[in-house]
Amino acid sequence: EIVLTQSPGTLSLSPGERATLSCRASQSVSSSFLAWYQHKVGQAPRLLIYGASSRATGIPDRFSGSGSGTDFTLTISRLEPEDFAVYYCQQYGTSAWSFGQGTKVEIK
Amino acid sequence: QVQLVESGGGVVQPGRSLRLSCAASGFTFSSYGMHWVRQAPGKGLEWVAFISYDGGNKYYADSVKGRFTISRDNSRTTLYLQMSSLRAEDTAVYYCAKARGMAVATYFDSWGQGTLVAVSS
Repeated sequence: EIVLTQSPGTLSLSPGERATLSCRASQSVSSSFLAWYQHKVGQAPRLLIYGASSRATGIPDRFSGSGSGTDFTLTISRLEPEDFAVYYCQQYGTSAWSFGQGTKVEIK
Repeated sequence: QVQLVESGGGVVQPGRSLRLSCAASGFTFSSYGMHWVRQAPGKGLEWVAFISYDGGNKYYADSVKGRFTISRDNSRTTLYLQMSSLRAEDTAVYYCAKARGMAVATYFDSWGQGTLVAVSS
């Protein structure tokens, strides 16, 4: 099983600031099969990024993903009030899908 | 518009069974793999089980293998999760999620709102 470790656990930022979230895998993620999801309390998780860097339909271009192999990054260029949430990375290259433990982006 | 609506959650005693359902609409259900994912209180997301579009392939997390069974009824466009020998650590919100396409190695492009399962005596 591929273990994903996200850092930091919590990111305290103000609206308008840049957020950089990290996801490190215990082994190489094949074909960059890495996705990012946003999750707000009481809501369904929302797909943001797939294939490490492709934005899902309807996702604003302030969200971007990068990386390959074992190191991946989600960047939110300028935080909007609706972006404060928990973010999860996920690998889907094996039949044992796994998520990171999440990074909470909170208002400073 | 894809819609996934989970039901069947509730309070159940340890060792008992429970069946969750996920009613799907807005897409050709029989053409897509489906997943169950859970979130325990205060914890992150945990993948639970996958079933291929035709039910021919099923995969489970080690934590539920041998106790949970995923199934689907394409004629009713409904996904199921039969949970038995429930433990306190199975307490969580359970989400169903739609796979992107027919392939096994793919991400989840739509999710339901979840149903809460509480295992307690």
